[in-house]
Amino acid sequence: GAGVSQSPSNKVTEKGKDVELRCDPISGHTALYWYRQSLGQGLEFLIYFQGNSAPDKSGLPSDRFSAERTGGSVSTLTIQRTQQEDSAVYLCASSRNPRSSGNTIYFGEGSWLTVV
Amino acid sequence: QQQVKQSPQSLIVQKGGISIINCAYENTAFDYFPWYQQFPGKGPALLIAIRPDVSEKKEGRFTISFNKSAKQFSLHIMDSQPGDSATYFCAAPYSGAGSYQLTFGKGTKLSVIP
Repeated sequence: GAGVSQSPSNKVTEKGKDVELRCDPISGHTALYWYRQSLGQGLEFLIYFQGNSAPDKSGLPSDRFSAERTGGSVSTLTIQRTQQEDSAVYLCASSRNPRSSGNTIYFGEGSWLTVV
Repeated sequence: QQQVKQSPQSLIVQKGGISIINCAYENTAFDYFPWYQQFPGKGPALLIAIRPDVSEKKEGRFTISFNKSAKQFSLHIMDSQPGDSATYFCAAPYSGAGSYQLTFGKGTKLSVIP
């Protein structure tokens, strides 16, 4: 696609429910990232995919968070048993070749998650 | 992991003035330092980036100045306009243990008043 596409754009869920957030990266981009942005805060790294593998999951805040990527394309971030502190904007990004200098990372518009 | 310190947290500038945002980083194996601009309700978008084999890069009203020895870089917005009001993030690449990612500063909220 022309840009990184995320869905849903907005999600309100009840505490304790599971949610799935989807990301469709730019075509041909091998690297995919998930970041989290809490209200008025910076961008917190969650996970990095190269192809379908996730060599860096160090940013996932707890075992309630998981992500997968299939076909070297679409990725899903799953949050189980959501808590109110999970409320944030979840941003997906992709890039063509993270090992090359000058690699540009492109962001989607984000999925706004509110846990009530 | 990479730490990036960004200042100021917020900035108010008169229309036509110069906006200056500063960032400092730690060691990095990658020579690429981007700035992202984020409007409310939108994802961050790449604004301008620099490789530290040059000390300055200019694109229109936006200039990055880079000081490799001090591990610092800054964004200057000349002739600031109300449409520049947004949050700006600097970033530095982190690479290690099979990972590659950008570590971001905490952001600067810029308000340009008419």
